[in-house]
Order: sequence, then structure tokens, then C-alpha cells
Amino acid sequence: DVQLLESGGGVGQPGGSLSLSCAASGFTFSTYAMIWVRQAPGKGLEWISGISGSGGSTYYAGSVKGRFTISRDNSKNTLYLQMNSLRDEDTAVYYCAKGNGVNHYNWFDPWGQGTLVTVSS
Amino acid sequence: QSVLTQPPSVSAAPGQKVTISCSGGSSNIGSHIVSWYQQLPGTAPKLLIYETNKRPSGISDRFSGSKSGTSATLAITGLQTGDEADYYCGAWDSSLSAGGFGGGTKLTVL
Repeated sequence: DVQLLESGGGVGQPGGSLSLSCAASGFTFSTYAMIWVRQAPGKGLEWISGISGSGGSTYYAGSVKGRFTISRDNSKNTLYLQMNSLRDEDTAVYYCAKGNGVNHYNWFDPWGQGTLVTVSS
Repeated sequence: QSVLTQPPSVSAAPGQKVTISCSGGSSNIGSHIVSWYQQLPGTAPKLLIYETNKRPSGISDRFSGSKSGTSATLAITGLQTGDEADYYCGAWDSSLSAGGFGGGTKLTVL
């Protein structure tokens, strides 16, 4: 079974940093793009970042560009999201999801269960 | 502000058909593949439709997708109470060099 398991959520202070991880299993991790999506409380889905299978191409939404960094370690089958300069509006459930090809972001399946990030002083 | 535009809510009676629209532009729906996701209350999103009109294994044929120009539509026939969920469309956006989702549509089965 293809599985994604996020971890690293918690409480971060405004201006502070948090790091999320997404452990993948059940597929050849290095041959698929991966993305991070977030959902603020009571709100819709927001695509925030994507990375190609090799890690050589990365993409960011304007709301996080320059503050968040996506990366991956294909030897560990793990996706990461480093979140710096946290803002109140970064409070959300963060999901990782698998793309449909090495550098394809047309559909996402499966999704992890999500990890909650709360930005609060 | 979402990249794609969906109605906030739709409703219909059990057994009926409902459609959910997703409007975009030439840089997203007009030139890229559309996908649809179902998010049941308290759960992670699940892929419902990919490549605009294909269903993953295990998804009922009551769900179907279509696209015309810069708009896409999700249709659900034979509505069941278990279909009550939030539905999202998604597509890559060339002008943003990023993906995007619609704001989501809450389906209520009356």
C-alpha cells in the first residue's frame, strides 16, 4: 500500500521556525514529484509547494516563497518542509501528497493524514 | 483568493444529480489537466477524478468529470447521504508556475 505519514507539527511562535516531514512507503519515491498543501481552519485547500522526483525542481506559492523551503531525501524516502518567519496565517493542517510523475503535478494521490501547525505567541 | 472558482455550496435530494462547476483561465484549466478531490468531514482529501474525466480504482461511476475551454464540471448522480463532503478542483497554473485549487464546494444531500 502507498502511504504517506506527516510529522513535525506543533506550536511555533510568530517569526519562528518549524520543520515538517513526510515519510513515504509503498512506491519508488524518487520517481514521483511531491507536494505540500495546507488547509487553514474552516478554509479550503492551498497548494503551497512542490518538488520533482530528483529534487532538482521546486515550486512555491507566492504566500510562502522566500519563507518556506521544500526538500527531499530519496535515500530516506522522506519529504521535508522548512518553515521560517512564521506568521499567524500559516496556522493550518499541512498535508503531503504524491504527484503523478517525476515532475508532474496534474493530480495527487494519495494524501497523508495531515499535521497541525499552530502559530501563536 | 483561490486560483480556480467554485460555488461555495450545492444541494440536492437523495437519488438526484448534482453538478459542481470549476472556472479558471487559459493558464490553468484552459491548458492543463483538471483533477477533483473529495474531503469527507475530518479526513484528508481523496482523489476522485484525474485527467479531467478518469476515475481511480474504487471510485464509483456515479462520479464523472468533464471540461470545456476554461471550465470544468464534476457530476454526481444517484446522490447518497454519504456523498456529503467538500469537493475541490485542481490544476497546474503556467503563469504562476504552481498548482492551484478551487475554493471548495460543500455538498449537502437534503
